[in-house]
Amino acid sequence: GESVGLHLPTLSVQEGDNSIINCAYSNSASDYFIWYKQESGKGPQFIIDIRSNMDKRQGQRVTVLLNKTVKHLSLQIAATQPGDSAVYFCAENALNTGGFKTIFGAGTRLFVKA
Amino acid sequence: NAGVTQTPKFQVLKTGQSMTLQCAQDMNHEYMSWYRQDPGMGLRLIHYSVGAGITDQGEVPNGYNVSRSTTEDFPLRLLSAAPSQTSVYFCASRKRGTNYGYTFGSGTRLTVV
Repeated sequence: GESVGLHLPTLSVQEGDNSIINCAYSNSASDYFIWYKQESGKGPQFIIDIRSNMDKRQGQRVTVLLNKTVKHLSLQIAATQPGDSAVYFCAENALNTGGFKTIFGAGTRLFVKA
Repeated sequence: NAGVTQTPKFQVLKTGQSMTLQCAQDMNHEYMSWYRQDPGMGLRLIHYSVGAGITDQGEVPNGYNVSRSTTEDFPLRLLSAAPSQTSVYFCASRKRGTNYGYTFGSGTRLTVV
């Protein structure tokens, strides 16, 4: 598959450990945030979303935390597995723009060591 | 249910050539978008459509045209390819509603020489 980012920040974790991927967003008017996972050779895949009226949302093995004060978003993956190895993108949106002006971050590569 | 299908997967063009990247979805999604992905830059929106017959520009529309004659199809046309258009192109779609997460195709890797 293609390389989606030659100089991406990389997080390397041991299988079974928890992973935390961080993201700083840029627009103070953004009120909707999404995390995507992109495996090699594939398109991004929706993981979890959160609105600005929440500061935490949990999914299956994933938790997203939102700190609007410092415009920071994080994705926590519990009990990281080899299949979690991928590039992770945060994306921000302003709902009053209809959700079309999605701004994607540059991504973080997660590498899981067996 | 195939999701979002993009063709071709790979393409090499000479500078000045034209081509169309195909995108089709079978989920009856109203909204469709084209993104390009370059190393270290995330995804950037080229054009989007909110329904058949309606399209609009994203943040990097120059050099690209789109049309939306049906709900299912959203082709992206490069009129005169330039080396700066070398990239991976993704088509995405979503249903109208409050979840703004997109379903993406598997991408087209385009090289312009």
